[in-house]
Amino acid sequence: GDSVTQMEGPVTLSEEAFLTINCTYTATGYPSLFWYVQYPGEGLQLLLKATKADDKGSNKGFEATYRKETTSFHLEKGSVQVSDSAVYFCALRMGLSGAQKLVFGQGTRLTINP
Amino acid sequence: GAVVSQHPSRVICKSGTSVKIECRSLDFQATTMFWYRQFPKQSLMLMATSNEGSKATYEQGVEKDKFLINHASLTLSTLTVTSAHPEDSSFYICSARKADREYFLGYTFGSGTRLTVV
Repeated sequence: GDSVTQMEGPVTLSEEAFLTINCTYTATGYPSLFWYVQYPGEGLQLLLKATKADDKGSNKGFEATYRKETTSFHLEKGSVQVSDSAVYFCALRMGLSGAQKLVFGQGTRLTINP
Repeated sequence: GAVVSQHPSRVICKSGTSVKIECRSLDFQATTMFWYRQFPKQSLMLMATSNEGSKATYEQGVEKDKFLINHASLTLSTLTVTSAHPEDSSFYICSARKADREYFLGYTFGSGTRLTVV
């Protein structure tokens, strides 16, 4: 079945460091890909998305490019801030009809130290 | 923007009692809502898909008689944990699918409910 694999955390960086969180997926078709962020005690917020190969999603300095050849959607940010500390989830959604469920990766906890 | 309100944010109940969690889409109609369960430091596990006016579709391994889902209107879905036990303690999150006819406009998540069964 469809699945998403993220790099294991936790990840701890210093402020202004470069961030990469790896995400790869397995799907039988051509999914849409998402990154969600979860701050402590809260639900998930959509960070960015890409719906087809070579699309780049970007938001708040974060970027991710849909790579069909490597089935990847790695999250990057050039200079992280303390406020970026959260749990990040990579997810995919298959299909244009039906329930269109999201399949989540296991999440990566990011801590940014000042 | 699309806003989903989930209540309560925290609830503590005694073992054997039932707890109801509400998920409301405040400024859009949600024909489909999803209920997730999240264990500490783990990912979200989809429990069920709730469709307005019809029975919910439960994922494999989720007890439908224990986790009752009602989606009586286009803006409200409820999850009732019946006869709660300590192992039901978890973080429950709802999500609403915003759609305009056949066009998928995205998912919006509630802020979650921390359930503690003592």
